[in-house]
Amino acid sequence: GIQVEQSPPDLILQEGANSTLRCNFSDSVNNLQWFHQNPWGQLINLFYIPSGTKQNGRLSATTVATERYSLLYISSSQTTDSGVYFCAVKDSGGSNYKLTFGKGTLLTVNP
Amino acid sequence: AAGVIQSPRHLIKEKRETATLKCYPIPRHDTVYWYQQGPGQDPQFLISFYEKMQSDKGSIPDRFSAQQFSDYHSELNMSSLELGDSALYFCASSSQLAGLRETQYFGPGTRLLVL
Repeated sequence: GIQVEQSPPDLILQEGANSTLRCNFSDSVNNLQWFHQNPWGQLINLFYIPSGTKQNGRLSATTVATERYSLLYISSSQTTDSGVYFCAVKDSGGSNYKLTFGKGTLLTVNP
Repeated sequence: AAGVIQSPRHLIKEKRETATLKCYPIPRHDTVYWYQQGPGQDPQFLISFYEKMQSDKGSIPDRFSAQQFSDYHSELNMSSLELGDSALYFCASSSQLAGLRETQYFGPGTRLLVL
């Protein structure tokens, strides 16, 4: 099955700093989503971005499907940004339903 | 906007007991998914339903079964619970009308603890 690798596994920032999270995937995809899992366990949709670039406030994401990677940018980080960021993909050659998740990036933003 | 509703939010069971988790998808969504997230792990796909029919199956134990009802809500039934079943169980929903490129929206999860 498709492999999803996220880096870095852990990241510690001071409030106000910027960061870039990366997601590499091993095959072509027809769905890529970024999620934020907060300390209470909720999975919050950030972006649906199988290709191209999107921005939402301090967050933006870019997926280069031909090179099989996606980047999530967080600017002017806040303590509430802390949590685990997951990238999840749907293999275009596989199931039409299943999302395969990466292991996540644990982000800690210190005040 | 309406979101995916899951109940109960927390559940404590003894080994060998049964548990039923419920999921109410976003209105007009026709596809429901179940995922299991163990402690410190990423979510793993269990099973999905489209228009009340099972559409895909992942690493779901034989002790688990699920179905989608006529009102599109779904239930995950878990029997002979084991300690290793302790996890966060997510339900997600989407609309196939958007084609293959639909977004899956996740519920708040049910946290199951097996003692």
